Amino acid sequence: DAGVIQSPRHEVTEMGQEVTLRCKPISGHDYLFWYRQTMMRGLELLIYFNNNVPIDDSGMPEDRFSAKMPNASFSTLKIQPSEPRDSAVYFCASSSAGGGTYEQYFGPGTRLTVT
Amino acid sequence: KQEVTQIPAALSVPEGENLVLNCSFTDSAIYNLQWFRQDPGKGLTSLLLIQSSQREQTSGRLNASLDKSSGRSTLYIAASQPGDSATYLCASTGGGADGLTFGKGTHLIIQP
Repeated sequence: DAGVIQSPRHEVTEMGQEVTLRCKPISGHDYLFWYRQTMMRGLELLIYFNNNVPIDDSGMPEDRFSAKMPNASFSTLKIQPSEPRDSAVYFCASSSAGGGTYEQYFGPGTRLTVT
Repeated sequence: KQEVTQIPAALSVPEGENLVLNCSFTDSAIYNLQWFRQDPGKGLTSLLLIQSSQREQTSGRLNASLDKSSGRSTLYIAASQPGDSATYLCASTGGGADGLTFGKGTHLIIQP
C-alpha cells in the first residue's frame, strides 16, 4: 500500500482565503484522524472519523475549520477564512480495528503558511 | 484530560552509547502507547506500539516498556548511531479508537 496520502504538501495563502487540505487513508482502514502540529502546542488532535462519520470534533479550534469524509477513501479539512495563526503542519492518519491494536499510520503532512 | 510529558526535551550523546527516553502520562487508563520518530520536515514514523496488557515491545535496537501503574513508558535505544538523530514522540490513547495525545518530544542528536 502507498500509505496515507496527503495533498498538497505545501500551501501558501493569504489571510482570508479558503484552504482545503486533502487526505487519502490506507485502503481498508476505517478510522481517519486529522492532527495539527505547531512549535508552541505540539501535535494536537483536531477531529476523527469512523466509517466516514465524525466521532469527535472537540479539537477543532473554531467554526472556521470544517472536515468532511464523503467516502472511505477521501477526506478534506477546510479553513475558511484562513488566518496567520493557522500556519502549521497538518497531518492525516488512519487506523483499523483489525487486530485490536488500532495502530495509527501518518501521512507526510501539509505545511500551511498563511501570510 | 490526559497529559503526556517527555523528558528530556533534548539529548546529545556520542555514537555507540545506549540511551533511554522517558515518557509519563497522567491517566493510567490507556488503551495503548505508541512511540514515533520524526525527522526534520517529515511525517511521523511509528516505531513501537505497546498495548495496555503488555509490558514491553522490541524492534531491533529499540525496546519500549510500559508501566501503567506509575504512568511511565521508556524507549531504550541500544548502540546509538548518527542515523538515530531525530525527534522521538510518545503518544497514548484512552480508547482503542480514540485519537492520540502526544508529548512534546525529545530531540535526539547522536554525535559521530
